[in-house]
Amino acid sequence: GAVVSQHPSWVICKSGTSVKIECRSLDFQATTMFWYRQFPKQSLMLMATSNEGSKATYEQGVEKDKFLINHASLTLSTLTVTSAHPEDSSFYICSARGTGVFSPLHFGNGTRLTVT
Amino acid sequence: SQQGEEDPQALSIQEGENATMNCSYKTSINNLQWYRQNSGRGLVHLILIRSNEREKHSGRLRVTLDTSKKSSSLLITASRAADTASYFCATDMNSGYSTLTFGKGTMLLVSP
Repeated sequence: GAVVSQHPSWVICKSGTSVKIECRSLDFQATTMFWYRQFPKQSLMLMATSNEGSKATYEQGVEKDKFLINHASLTLSTLTVTSAHPEDSSFYICSARGTGVFSPLHFGNGTRLTVT
Repeated sequence: SQQGEEDPQALSIQEGENATMNCSYKTSINNLQWYRQNSGRGLVHLILIRSNEREKHSGRLRVTLDTSKKSSSLLITASRAADTASYFCATDMNSGYSTLTFGKGTMLLVSP
């Protein structure tokens, strides 16, 4: 089946630094990828929709300058958390929609970000 | 915005028992999907049911959809300890490449 690889699995960084998270579709092309944030024991909150070759569409309340998204190819989207602060600590998950009208989302395994 | 609401929030059962989780939603949908998430991992798609379907099976999973009541249920039969996870329903209002809206999930604990 379709596989989405997310890297890194976890990262600890100092406040003020930037962190890049990669999301790759391994065996299919994904023109659209989605980035979510999940707080402990909570649902997934959609942050933005990443579109290959164009600007990402951000959800209300998500700072586009804070969370930079780049979707440079049909198999790779990156999320960069810029000038990270402790409140950015969270679990970030990417997903990509497979081909086909009723295709489900395929998720990466998530990235646990801890900002100290 | 939150569309799906799962019920119960948490469920603890013994191995071999059946587990039933419910999901209610507010607007018309094209399809509804159930996902599973192990702790600290991404979500795994379990089953998709279209708005014109009423019931669907996949292995030990049985999903029902009642569009008149805007609700769905996920039944896991003969549960196993390995079924311990959080289960989310997600509604899709349009077919194609629209986003899904996830509920808050049900945490299922299956004890040996």
